[in-house]
Amino acid sequence: AQSVTQPDIHITVSEGASLELRCNYSYGATPYLFWYVQSPGQGLQLLLKYFSGDTLVQGIKGFEAEFKRSQSSFNLRKPSVHWSDAAEYFCAVWANNAGNMLTFGGGTRLMVKP
Amino acid sequence: DGGITQSPKYLFRKEGQNVTLSCEQNLNHDAMYWYRQDPGQGLRLIYYSQIVNDFQKGDIAEGYSVSREKKESFPLTVTSAQKNPTAFYLCASTRWGRTEAFFGQGTRLTVV
Repeated sequence: AQSVTQPDIHITVSEGASLELRCNYSYGATPYLFWYVQSPGQGLQLLLKYFSGDTLVQGIKGFEAEFKRSQSSFNLRKPSVHWSDAAEYFCAVWANNAGNMLTFGGGTRLMVKP
Repeated sequence: DGGITQSPKYLFRKEGQNVTLSCEQNLNHDAMYWYRQDPGQGLRLIYYSQIVNDFQKGDIAEGYSVSREKKESFPLTVTSAQKNPTAFYLCASTRWGRTEAFFGQGTRLTVV
């Protein structure tokens, strides 16, 4: 079965600094990959997705992610973090042998220092 | 606007009672899902349904039940058999195929 690992439970960055959130997946072929963001007490909003093609994908709110097959990774990046980016971020994977459902990582909580 | 509506936003239940969480979508999506979210544990799949009148257990189905009588609706019942029901519950839907999921705003259930 596929799995998704987000190694960092909490990350704190200063406003204006760059950000990278890590995501590793376990699956034999190329899965469909997603990053979602969740504000406290809210649902999840899709930031970006990778299905195929260019391995660097752009998303909303200035986020981007790079798919690296050799490392089984799909890390999320942002060049300059804003205080409003403080939230929880989830990486998710959709794989061929898993029916029609997503598997999520454990999430990374981002805190932004002024 | 199309979307997913979960109700209520907050729900309190006494121990031993069953309670039903509502999830309605007007996106004409085929598949619907229920996830449970606990602090530090990410999202865990409870049940999912790909078509009307059919559903499958997810990773943590014990103590929960669902129905899918209409394409738009996928209610979740938390039964008294669920040992630790206090959590944040999220409903989601997708079109057929491996596309992105759309989420509702969640229901926070507290057992008192």
